[in-house]
Amino acid sequence: DQQVKQNSPSLSVQEGRISILNCDYTNSMFDYFLWYKKYPAEGPTFLISISSIKDKNEDGRFTVFLNKSAKHLSLHIVPSQPGDSAVYFCAARVTVSGTYKYIFGTGTRLKVLA
Amino acid sequence: ETGVTQSPTHLIKTRGQQVTLRCSSQSGHNTVSWYQQALGQGPQFIFQYYREEENGRGNFPPRFSGLQFPNYSSELNVNALELDDSALYLCASSLIGATIYGYTFGSGTRLTVV
Repeated sequence: DQQVKQNSPSLSVQEGRISILNCDYTNSMFDYFLWYKKYPAEGPTFLISISSIKDKNEDGRFTVFLNKSAKHLSLHIVPSQPGDSAVYFCAARVTVSGTYKYIFGTGTRLKVLA
Repeated sequence: ETGVTQSPTHLIKTRGQQVTLRCSSQSGHNTVSWYQQALGQGPQFIFQYYREEENGRGNFPPRFSGLQFPNYSSELNVNALELDDSALYLCASSLIGATIYGYTFGSGTRLTVV
């Protein structure tokens, strides 16, 4: 039961252009969504989060959009840089028996071409 | 500020054996979570510890157990290893309730069961 889905395993974008990474979810009880970036041989690094009561959160070149009616969120990176090449994971938080549980997607590998 | 450190980085075990993985949390963090990341998959939540007690668990059997120590370091123990336990095991620390800042992940321990 994959509650958080990243349907694009990979994405290639030219340097300077916009990268859009997508994530779909099925559980309407998720109350927070997060994006992580992972380089090879390193652990995932937190990028940006958004509460389910918001529809947009921006931090520098990174913006996350949330469409609750469609159960869809996206991460926009503008402008894309070669250093952004990594695997990006979408994650969602749900409260189970009073404790938080995080569900991760399978990741999208972004390659920014110089 | 120290990050999350995990040991060992790589490990090979035989089916049926037991293994202990270790994690030192980031300074100031009071919660530690463990994740299993199989090849090509996103991290799967194993369990979380807060105040030295397990306060959340994913869909993993009881042979996966853990400890959190007063200094917030942690261990993940896996008994009766199976071939499917081969994966990258990630430790993540956080401040309870501080979801907007996300986890700080370690680089992981690569476990191979043969």
